[in-house]
Amino acid sequence: DGGITQSPKYLFRKEGQNVTLSCEQNLNHDAMYWYRQDPGQGLRLIYYSQIVNDFQKGDIAEGYSVSREKKESFPLTVTSAQKNPTAFYLCASKVGGPTDTQYFGPGTRLTVL
Amino acid sequence: GIQVEQSPPDLILQEGANSTLRCNFSDSVNNLQWFHQNPWGQLINLFYIPSGTKQNGRLSATTVATERYSLLYISSSQTTDSGVYFCAVEEGGYGQNFVFGPGTRLSVLP
Repeated sequence: DGGITQSPKYLFRKEGQNVTLSCEQNLNHDAMYWYRQDPGQGLRLIYYSQIVNDFQKGDIAEGYSVSREKKESFPLTVTSAQKNPTAFYLCASKVGGPTDTQYFGPGTRLTVL
Repeated sequence: GIQVEQSPPDLILQEGANSTLRCNFSDSVNNLQWFHQNPWGQLINLFYIPSGTKQNGRLSATTVATERYSLLYISSSQTTDSGVYFCAVEEGGYGQNFVFGPGTRLSVLP
């Protein structure tokens, strides 16, 4: 089946540790996105990538890093520099260009202990 | 950057009722989408609708781009319609920043 997968579904981390969230898509989409959602809030853009080996910061990139070495993969690293990392993280992709639909993965819930 | 507002913030309906959700945006956009987030957090595409009107079953949407608003209509609501409805717009010319509204939380009671 075509789609977007995120792993793990739940993740617990101790303060001071880096952690990497996985996002994979087999839709052959060019553009991929990472969003953060806090309880009762909307989504905020962390990073996005329009093509392989290229990515741009979104509104809340501080304390996060990404890579885009393969078209199908866009992992997000939450570093120890992120002051309040506990949140729901959503990955999305779309074909590319301004006239295409964005599709979302199931999300990863990160809790910092 | 572009601002997106949604109203109402919360809506409680009896099963079978109709509702209208509104999304206002502050600048012209190339892409506008409506999403439904279910209780498990999954976002489901409802409509891609930068302008015009579309219908899909009990749901329909209208965007008036010149007046910078979009409406989502839900008819004969069901308990499975409960969740949060988001409007999202894409600013810039090519796959750039998506901006989400704060959402409308809908509760449909049996």
